Amino acid sequence: QKEVEQNSGPLSVPEGAIASLNCTYSDRGSQSFFWYRQYSGKSPELIMSIYSNGDKEDGRFTAQLNKASQYVSLLIRDSQPSDSATYLCAVTPRGSTLGRLYFGRGTQLTVWP
Amino acid sequence: GAVVSQHPSWVICKSGTSVKIECRSLDFQATTMFWYRQFPKQSLMLMATSNEGSKATYEQGVEKDKFLINHASLTLSTLTVTSAHPEDSSFYICSARDAGGREPNEQFFGPGTRLTVL
Repeated sequence: QKEVEQNSGPLSVPEGAIASLNCTYSDRGSQSFFWYRQYSGKSPELIMSIYSNGDKEDGRFTAQLNKASQYVSLLIRDSQPSDSATYLCAVTPRGSTLGRLYFGRGTQLTVWP
Repeated sequence: GAVVSQHPSWVICKSGTSVKIECRSLDFQATTMFWYRQFPKQSLMLMATSNEGSKATYEQGVEKDKFLINHASLTLSTLTVTSAHPEDSSFYICSARDAGGREPNEQFFGPGTRLTVL
């Protein structure tokens, strides 16, 4: 069973704060990890991908991967009201030749002004 | 880059009719495309994986005769909902994998098609 778990939220932070989103996965051999953002009524949008242990930064977003702990997180610095959305963690498990993703249920983030 | 389009963006149809949804990768070749369904306030549910030139692989519980998938070219996959019923009303989203992209396994989503069956 390839499970992806996210903290259920909802998560509410003030504008300018750091929002921290967490995700754990069950398949120790998982190879690719992604964060998607989904606004209400819209389709998911890829915001970060990470493949090796450590941090990966892109603008205000930082993804952190710890394969030993089977944990991946997303930090959003200087959060803005426009960041309010549902964030989906997705994982490609070991042996996936077609790149099928397993998604968590998502964490709803609200950034209040 | 990595743009995926879907058409139509929304459709309303009568019960018993068939509806075709197109998914196109506009600036890359997608050997693999995925079809998802999402009900309000629920998570994405993968329906099927579509490979160019071969039969789609359906997830358990998804009726392949009801949800016909064709992936005839490297840039186009279609999903046909046959004999649609009100319970098929949902948000259908495709994604495409850019196998030749900079990052492996990245999937890019189309904007989705909202289907309402009366």
